Amino acid sequence: AQKITQTQPGMFVQEKEAVTLDCTYDTSDQSYGLFWYKQPSSGEMIFLIYQGSYDEQNATEGRYSLNFQKARKSANLVISASQLGDSAMYFCAMREGDDKLIFGTGTRLQVFP
Amino acid sequence: DTEVTQTPKHLVMGMTNKKSLKCEQHMGHRAMYWYKQKAKKPPELMFVYSYEKLSINESVPSRFSPECPNSSLLNLHLHALQPEDSALYLCASSQGWQTGHEQYFGPGTRLTVT
Repeated sequence: AQKITQTQPGMFVQEKEAVTLDCTYDTSDQSYGLFWYKQPSSGEMIFLIYQGSYDEQNATEGRYSLNFQKARKSANLVISASQLGDSAMYFCAMREGDDKLIFGTGTRLQVFP
Repeated sequence: DTEVTQTPKHLVMGMTNKKSLKCEQHMGHRAMYWYKQKAKKPPELMFVYSYEKLSINESVPSRFSPECPNSSLLNLHLHALQPEDSALYLCASSQGWQTGHEQYFGPGTRLTVT
């Protein structure tokens, strides 16, 4: 069975600094997809970034980048130049089959001035 | 436009009530999903509709009944719920995994069962 592990229940970062949120995964599939979502206190899950298992380059979307290390089975999210509005819950997720998304337990990020 | 809408935003219902949650997307996505999320937990998949047909039911109790009237709409009918069913219910849609397309989520419905 596929599995996603997020070992950091909570992280603190000062505004304008960079922060890395850890994610490791376990799968025997050769083709898979990895996702990061942000969930503010309002509840909506916001898609941030996607990395395919065959993508040779790390994905980037604005201030978000995904540090993909396939051999180590890790897909860490890097947020550069943190902003107060980045305070939220962050979930790493992996595709299972055609339509299932397996989520990690999440990391709560708090950005302070 | 990547918007998924859900109504109502909040719902309080008794254990004998019948209510429905609604979800709508106009992105032409072929798959729609219902998730249940308890506080401080990740979302749990409940149902998946692909091309308007139910493709996945994660052994959800029959008091939850999904319906997909057309490719843009997804309903979740609720009947005889229990207090432990109180949660945030999230709807999502996706074009498909073949191109790595992500799931887009709605804002959710916060359900309280009294």
